[in-house]
Amino acid sequence: DQQVKQNSPSLSVQEGRISILNCDYTNSMFDYFLWYKKYPAEGPTFLISISSIKDKNEDGRFTVFLNKSAKHLSLHIVPSQPGDSAVYFCAASAGGPRPNFGNEKLTFGTGTRLTIIP
Amino acid sequence: DAGVIQSPRHEVTEMGQEVTLRCKPISGHDYLFWYRQTMMRGLELLIYFNNNVPIDDSGMPEDRFSAKMPNASFSTLKIQPSEPRDSAVYFCASSLRLAGSGAQYFGPGTRLTVL
Repeated sequence: DQQVKQNSPSLSVQEGRISILNCDYTNSMFDYFLWYKKYPAEGPTFLISISSIKDKNEDGRFTVFLNKSAKHLSLHIVPSQPGDSAVYFCAASAGGPRPNFGNEKLTFGTGTRLTIIP
Repeated sequence: DAGVIQSPRHEVTEMGQEVTLRCKPISGHDYLFWYRQTMMRGLELLIYFNNNVPIDDSGMPEDRFSAKMPNASFSTLKIQPSEPRDSAVYFCASSLRLAGSGAQYFGPGTRLTVL
């Protein structure tokens, strides 16, 4: 049972435009969400996270939006750059408020391959 | 900081052989995770440790898999005997609970091929 779903295996976006990557989850106990980026032959790299007490978190060109009622989150990249071409993973955990949360276990989605077209 | 270090980067072995994957976490991190990535199942958590103690090994596929963390700077994942279906990329990650972000930092992975 896939508790974290990324239904789009791939996405192509023109350089300079907005990239929107989507993620859905089924476990209502999830209260913390993260996005990771992965280049070939490298490990995933942490990008940005959001707690369930927020609905938006921004870091430079990256913004994550959380819609708890829909159990949906999205990652917006504006403007998209060629170096953003990678596989993006959504991840979630359940465990209470940080930093004293009790469960470090992350459940990952299957990833979306983003290609930025120059 | 050097980041999470894994060795070897690539391993090719024959079915039935023992395989040992190694990981050195980021210094000062108190959590260590082992993941497996395959095309079919994506990124799966196998086991994780807190302060060198295994906390959750529910993701370990079967008794052929074992993991140890003898000290804060070293962990191993062993497969004995190995089978072709174990072929995957194995990642080690570490994190610091008090950092607050919940982020785990991944190593470059070990690509295992079992013939």
